[in-house]
Amino acid sequence: EIVLTQSPGTLSLSPGERATLSCRASQSISSSYLAWYQQKPGQAPRLLIYGTSSRATGIPDRFSGSGCGTDFTLTISRLEPEDFAVYYCQQCSSSPWTFGQGTKVEVK
Amino acid sequence: QVQLQESGPGLVKPSGTLSVTCAVSAGSISSSDWWSWVRQSPGKGLEWIGEIYHNESTNYNLSLKNRVTISVDKSKNQFSLKLSSVTAADTAVYYCARRNLPHWLETSYFDCWGRGTLVTVSS
Repeated sequence: EIVLTQSPGTLSLSPGERATLSCRASQSISSSYLAWYQQKPGQAPRLLIYGTSSRATGIPDRFSGSGCGTDFTLTISRLEPEDFAVYYCQQCSSSPWTFGQGTKVEVK
Repeated sequence: QVQLQESGPGLVKPSGTLSVTCAVSAGSISSSDWWSWVRQSPGKGLEWIGEIYHNESTNYNLSLKNRVTISVDKSKNQFSLKLSSVTAADTAVYYCARRNLPHWLETSYFDCWGRGTLVTVSS
């Protein structure tokens, strides 16, 4: 099973600041199968990024993804109030499909 | 846009069987997608349980494999999860989700999710 480890666990930032979230895989995965999701309290996860760097429909361009091999990054260029949430990385490179434990982006 | 809606009992007794159904609307369950179950224990992260294709092929998370059965009912455009021998550790919000495999790109992701249904295991 591929374990995804996200860091930091919590990121305390102010609106307008840049957020950089990390996802490290326990073994190399195809960049085609790495996705990022946003989850707000009481809601289902929402797809943000697929294939490491492609934005899902309707996702603003302040969200971007990068990486390869075992190291992947989600960047939010300028935080908007609605961006404060929990973010998960997820892989479909090797079954079982797995998620990271999440990074909470909170208001500083 | 495809919509998913979970339904099922909110309370299950220990050692019993948890059953949840996901109704698919505004789309066909016979599309070239896989239909998954994902759960989230209170205050915890996300765990993929398993998935099914419309031809009834399944793929399960081995950590739960002996207790999980996922089935599909094409006539009702829905799929279901059964988890047997439940304990308090199975208390979670259960989500159904579509795992999309677009024909135009080698990739895969969960792009549609239900709102989730909380199932509590308690006597």
